[in-house]
Amino acid sequence: NAGVTQTPKFRILKIGQSMTLQCTQDMNHNYMYWYRQDPGMGLKLIYYSVGAGITDKGEVPNGYNVSRSTTEDFPLRLELAAPSQTSVYFCASSYPEQPQHFGDGTRLSIL
Amino acid sequence: GENVEQHPSTLSVQEGDSAVIKCTYSDSASNYFPWYKQELGKGPQLIIDIRSNVGEKKDQRIAVTLNKTAKHFSLHITETQPEDSAVYFCAASLAQDDKIIFGKGTRLHILP
Repeated sequence: NAGVTQTPKFRILKIGQSMTLQCTQDMNHNYMYWYRQDPGMGLKLIYYSVGAGITDKGEVPNGYNVSRSTTEDFPLRLELAAPSQTSVYFCASSYPEQPQHFGDGTRLSIL
Repeated sequence: GENVEQHPSTLSVQEGDSAVIKCTYSDSASNYFPWYKQELGKGPQLIIDIRSNVGEKKDQRIAVTLNKTAKHFSLHITETQPEDSAVYFCAASLAQDDKIIFGKGTRLHILP
């Protein structure tokens, strides 16, 4: 039982490039979330999903897109990378009425 | 929307002493308050949580208290050990599966 798995662990992008951060969970959780963590700022919610085919914006969705075609996977896409998107990205999942489980993060630098 | 304030941002305590981290929240409708521990290079891990119908909850050396009237809640770690060194986050939410708003974190150092 791997829990929440994020890939890649590290990535460097050039300004304007695009990439997809992968997140998969093997706990059959309905709910999945994407957060970004900036130094000294805690975690901020980017997007979340309450089930396959359903997504919604969080606090800081601009510059990102998500999809949820399966229960297990919740990829986060950056279409035009900007320096302000340099951050550590965490994916999480949960059952309804249960605490969230986090992956170990993707550290993204945009130069 | 909800806003969570957390203090202090850094805390150093002698091994064996107690550590207290305090948080306040703004939305009186929030009813779920988790605490997460984050070790270097890892994602946050839930260590304890409390719902608004409970005033205090304990789990071995960790306890959380909640004052709904004042809209503040605290984490207490007793008999601190080196492995307690980490960053701790408080958070507030309308429900366990709803959007969680995090505080900015407290870096806890346990001194030998």
